[in-house]
Amino acid sequence: DAGVIQSPRHEVTEMGQEVTLRCKPISGHDYLFWYRQTMMRGLELLIYFNNNVPIDDSGMPEDRFSAKMPNASFSTLKIQPSEPRDSAVYFCASSFDGRGETQYFGPGTRLLVL
Amino acid sequence: QKEVEQNSGPLSVPEGAIASLNCTYSDRGSQSFFWYRQYSGKSPELIMSIYSNGDKEDGRFTAQLNKASQYVSLLIRDSQPSDSATYLCAFLDSNYQLIWGAGTKLIIKP
Repeated sequence: DAGVIQSPRHEVTEMGQEVTLRCKPISGHDYLFWYRQTMMRGLELLIYFNNNVPIDDSGMPEDRFSAKMPNASFSTLKIQPSEPRDSAVYFCASSFDGRGETQYFGPGTRLLVL
Repeated sequence: QKEVEQNSGPLSVPEGAIASLNCTYSDRGSQSFFWYRQYSGKSPELIMSIYSNGDKEDGRFTAQLNKASQYVSLLIRDSQPSDSATYLCAFLDSNYQLIWGAGTKLIIKP
């Protein structure tokens, strides 16, 4: 298996622009997680899905952030409009079972909002 | 609020010595604990999980859990320069969500 795939790997955009991050989880994994990592705040869970259904989005910072999982092999995280404080590394992770099973992380998308 | 406390470091250890990383957590009800390693510019990867009090060994790595003290540690024996990374401690809360520490940066000096 290729592991969790994320695209793009790097994104530089200007404030106010829409940003879409993409993730393909490991085949057969029922759970998908979106995280954000910064030096100041560490690793933060934004939202997670079980069988394509959003279960907990309490970590989504505000309405500018939205996430979808239209099928078992694809998820998006969208920021509209983007702001400089959104600059971070965004990780997608998947697991077979959400109850303590190993989470496998993608390589991350490094987002810089100017 | 559920929290994981880790010393941010950096922790500097000479090559060949034992590196000791520590973590305390706030949720007494937690049953599952994890250590992830993150190399600079890379994503976290699981290296150890522990669910019962006591020690769990895997190669050069030993995880230690003390639920009464709400304390979990990771020992790395015969430290190698390739062990230089940030080590993230995490526990699973009652909602089956991972609560993450900020990580300890470990530097192994040749």
